[in-house]
Amino acid sequence: SQQGEEDPQALSIQEGENATMNCSYKTSINNLQWYRQNSGRGLVHLILIRSNEREKHSGRLRVTLDTSKKSSSLLITASRAADTASYFCATDSNDYKLSFGAGTTVTVRA
Amino acid sequence: NAGVTQTPKFQVLKTGQSMTLQCAQDMNHNSMYWYRQDPGMGLRLIYYSASEGTTDKGEVPNGYNVSRLNKREFSLRLESAAPSQTSVYFCASSEPSGRAYNEQFFGPGTRLTVL
Repeated sequence: SQQGEEDPQALSIQEGENATMNCSYKTSINNLQWYRQNSGRGLVHLILIRSNEREKHSGRLRVTLDTSKKSSSLLITASRAADTASYFCATDSNDYKLSFGAGTTVTVRA
Repeated sequence: NAGVTQTPKFQVLKTGQSMTLQCAQDMNHNSMYWYRQDPGMGLRLIYYSASEGTTDKGEVPNGYNVSRLNKREFSLRLESAAPSQTSVYFCASSEPSGRAYNEQFFGPGTRLTVL
């Protein structure tokens, strides 16, 4: 079963705007990861945040994690056309498996 | 480095036919995975291999078998394809840290259609 659920399912923004998407999960985790998938391609790892971290940055990406609410958010600042993709959160629960959500599809309009 | 490679890229099968999807990684990772991706469903784990010589079922293993041929290669076999197995299949690899995860590296996928 899917542990993570992203919200919203789809997001359309203007180039230069920020995009925020959220991920909720059900059981305790070791870490949470975010991946990007461009149309017709494999997933690419963006960022990993461990359960004892609250915020992490990587370039224009900012991820937060609230383990008390079992939720995470991914913020993309100053979006570009190249950010058009689907974004997935993935959680691991102390075994060798990741559980992926259904994803948020982001469209950046020029 | 090629990363994770998958063959074939596309395949059309008739119901009942069999085929093997191939996956290889050149990153010396211990763990390898097979996922399927269906519209609106995200990725679902079919089988995984935590290390060479071991394989375990994931969330949706029925109708599939796997072989961890060596550390580099992990194949997925459909013995008797069914239309419900129409999907995009992704192979991935990673180097776990203890029982926790590091990032997974994905191949480009195999788009399979079963008629």
